[in-house]
Amino acid sequence: AQSVTQPDIHITVSEGASLELRCNYSYGATPYLFWYVQSPGQGLQLLLKYFSGDTLVQGIKGFEAEFKRSQSSFNLRKPSVHWSDAAEYFCAVMNTGNQFYFGTGTSLTVIP
Amino acid sequence: KAGVTQTPRYLIKTRGQQVTLSCSPISGHRSVSWYQQTPGQGLQFLFEYFSETQRNKGNFPGRFSGRQFSNSRSEMNVSTLELGDSALYLCASSLAAGTQPQHFGDGTRLSIL
Repeated sequence: AQSVTQPDIHITVSEGASLELRCNYSYGATPYLFWYVQSPGQGLQLLLKYFSGDTLVQGIKGFEAEFKRSQSSFNLRKPSVHWSDAAEYFCAVMNTGNQFYFGTGTSLTVIP
Repeated sequence: KAGVTQTPRYLIKTRGQQVTLSCSPISGHRSVSWYQQTPGQGLQFLFEYFSETQRNKGNFPGRFSGRQFSNSRSEMNVSTLELGDSALYLCASSLAAGTQPQHFGDGTRLSIL
């Protein structure tokens, strides 16, 4: 069965610091992978997606993620965090049956 | 362009009752998917509808059902409500079936007393 694990429930970073949010997946075939962000009072927004090809994908708001098959990971990164990045981040995988599975989320706090 | 609209925003029900939630997708989007979000379980896929047909279903009991109308609006119904059904129910719309959810609504917060 496929699953998505986000090991970090909560992360705190200083504004301007770099950020990496971890995501591990369990899936037999090559997965379709996604990162979403849920800001307070706002709906979920798609940050980026990986289907195939270049393993480093760029997303909106300056985010990027790297697919590493050997580590079954799809970590989200940002070089310099802004206070407005404080939100809940969800990694997700879609299987060949087009069912969607989200991780349990990582809550990001940004301190000035 | 209006976004995904979910109504109502908040609902309070008691155990044993049933509830119907509504989702209007973005104009032109024909796929609607539903998700349950709880603090303990996170976001869980309920089902996806496209062209008035259920295309995919998650691992939820039969008390959870849905339908889609010819205008792509979708409804989700939960019967015989249980305390554990308290959650934020999100719907998302996409242009086509089998693609990632593109646009989410703000959700319906359901509380069971």
